Amino acid sequence: GAVVSQHPSWVICKSGTSVKIECRSLDFQATTMFWYRQFPKQSLMLMATSNEGSKATYEQGVEKDKFLINHASLTLSTLTVTSAHPEDSSFYICSRTGQGIREQFFGPGTRLTVL
Amino acid sequence: QQQVKQSPQSLIVQKGGISIINCAYENTAFDYFPWYQQFPGKGPALLIAIRPDVSEKKEGRFTISFNKSAKQFSLHIMDSQPGDSATYFCAASVNQGGKLIFGQGTELSVKP
Repeated sequence: GAVVSQHPSWVICKSGTSVKIECRSLDFQATTMFWYRQFPKQSLMLMATSNEGSKATYEQGVEKDKFLINHASLTLSTLTVTSAHPEDSSFYICSRTGQGIREQFFGPGTRLTVL
Repeated sequence: QQQVKQSPQSLIVQKGGISIINCAYENTAFDYFPWYQQFPGKGPALLIAIRPDVSEKKEGRFTISFNKSAKQFSLHIMDSQPGDSATYFCAASVNQGGKLIFGQGTELSVKP
């Protein structure tokens, strides 16, 4: 069964609004979660590493003030896309790992469409 | 040096045939190499993974072959089925941080 869930599975919003995406680890207390973005027909690009109780680590080129990540508990990480624009339309996917565990398990993804 | 190069970009195989996807890397610090399968509109699912201390790992119809000296690894899908039609990604990571570097992906189509 699924070990990572995401909510919502798809969202449509107007340009300039903010959207929050939740990522939950269902079976494991995940100290570390990752957020990826995937454009159509392309690979997954890591946006940031989310660590429980501390600030997220963003990859080069990812605006931390635009993509706000919060990892307040061992089972929940959230990604908020602030002031969304059409170019932010993409498939956002989270994954979880754990201390001493190399395997990453991915959520089902969230399709964001910004009009 | 952080890149993982994957080929081919797309692959068409007849049912029952062998699908082979190749990946190459430069960073010798990589020590974990997973393969993921992704269906349209879904998140990637872990298929099989290998560490550099072994040259081959098999799970069912899926086999990873690993060549440490050549810095290459490949996925073999035996007896390919139409249900295997999906996009496959190789990846690599270094222990510290654990973040995955993905290949470009291979779109596999298995024809009945």
